[in-house]
Amino acid sequence: DIVLTQSPDSLAVSLGERATINCKSSQSVLYNSNNKNFLAWYQQRPGQPPKLLISWASTRESGVPDRFSGSGSGTDFTLVISSLQAEDVAVYYCQQFYTTPYTFGQGTKLEIK
Amino acid sequence: QVLLVQSGTEVKKPGASVTVSCQTSGYTFTTYDLHWVRQAPGQGLEWMGWMNPNSGSSDSAQKFQGRVTMTRNTSVTSGYMHLSGLTSEDTAVYYCVRGPFGYFDFWGPGTLISVSS
Repeated sequence: DIVLTQSPDSLAVSLGERATINCKSSQSVLYNSNNKNFLAWYQQRPGQPPKLLISWASTRESGVPDRFSGSGSGTDFTLVISSLQAEDVAVYYCQQFYTTPYTFGQGTKLEIK
Repeated sequence: QVLLVQSGTEVKKPGASVTVSCQTSGYTFTTYDLHWVRQAPGQGLEWMGWMNPNSGSSDSAQKFQGRVTMTRNTSVTSGYMHLSGLTSEDTAVYYCVRGPFGYFDFWGPGTLISVSS
């Protein structure tokens, strides 16, 4: 199984500041034939189901604010929130859909400093 | 708009079985795979398996094989997840999710399954 390891486990950032979450995969999730990375990012606010933020490592979903961005390739990926807002308090997960069983990172809890 | 509506909370004894339903609307049911993801209390997300609503074919993570069955009824655009041999470790919120390519773009609200003697 592909293991995704997120860092840090928790993060406290001041409002308006930048938050960076990393996701490292135990094997590449880059599909060479189409040069796409099979990695997604989700936001889960307390008491709610997860919400898809980014697919294909860097494609922002419709309606997701542009302060959220994803980057990386192969085994190393990053989610950046450029200017933290109060409503961004949540747990963030990466997920690989390169191969089954699809797996998630352990989650990163983001709080306001 | 795309909606996934799930059945309600269930309380079960160890050894019992449970079926969670997921009624979809707002899109063509047979066009997108339906997946099941669970989350134990205070824990992370765990993918259980998926079903192709068009063909009815399904597959599950190895740890659930032999215990989980995923089916559908296309006439009511609904999917179902049946889990048998419940233990306390199956206590979790179970989500049905739409999965276009293996990522999950729409989530149901979740169904709490509590297993306790």
